[in-house]
Amino acid sequence: QSALTQPASVSGSPGQSITISCTGSNSDIGRYNYVSWYQQHPGKAPKLIIYDVIYRPSGVSNRFSASKSGKTASLTISGLQAEDEGDYYCSSYTSISTLVFGGGTRLTVL
Amino acid sequence: QVQLQESGPGLVKPSETLSLTCTVSGGSVSSATYYWSWIRQPPGKGLEWVGHIYYSGSTNYNPSLESRVTVSLDTSKNQFSLKLTSVTAADTAVYYCARIFYLDASGFNWYFDLWSRGTLVTVSS
Repeated sequence: QSALTQPASVSGSPGQSITISCTGSNSDIGRYNYVSWYQQHPGKAPKLIIYDVIYRPSGVSNRFSASKSGKTASLTISGLQAEDEGDYYCSSYTSISTLVFGGGTRLTVL
Repeated sequence: QVQLQESGPGLVKPSETLSLTCTVSGGSVSSATYYWSWIRQPPGKGLEWVGHIYYSGSTNYNPSLESRVTVSLDTSKNQFSLKLTSVTAADTAVYYCARIFYLDASGFNWYFDLWSRGTLVTVSS
């Protein structure tokens, strides 16, 4: 299975908004609403920030929002803060009952 | 509060078998709500799903690793395990165990809601 496609890096200034895309296929993102997003800080385990395409777990800032159109899912972070800097990964369930991650996107807060 | 903790050797020789165990505390691996999964991350690289197991014993594996991977469950010890055979340097990674939220009253889900801290396994002679 192929990894989902994410941009290698994005950047933004404090207070700005950024969007990270995650492109898959008709066998994963295009077929299921089982897209999730994870935030990872250096040396730490990933943390769930979005599940089932659009839902935020309890305790996750409402500055994080997400959507999906066709084979592409998107994560938007508004009101960027220094603490948002880190790596972001998307994930999807697939038609062969597996899970797949995106390659990851490094977010830099300028 | 449910916690996951990996255990196993941090150094494995090439061609040998990597074995890790994840102990679940504060919850049960016999719950129908969750799958139990292994994910790895080579140094400086992205996440790779390795495989998962359900309380029934049903498993699914990453096709790229399927010929070398076994995930198993020990309900008596509330643990699940990973075995990866014929390892090479390419298998050097931080290995995470994670819980997949699968089923609740509203239906099916597929997301990793709980992660372990991760353990670095190095393949080297």
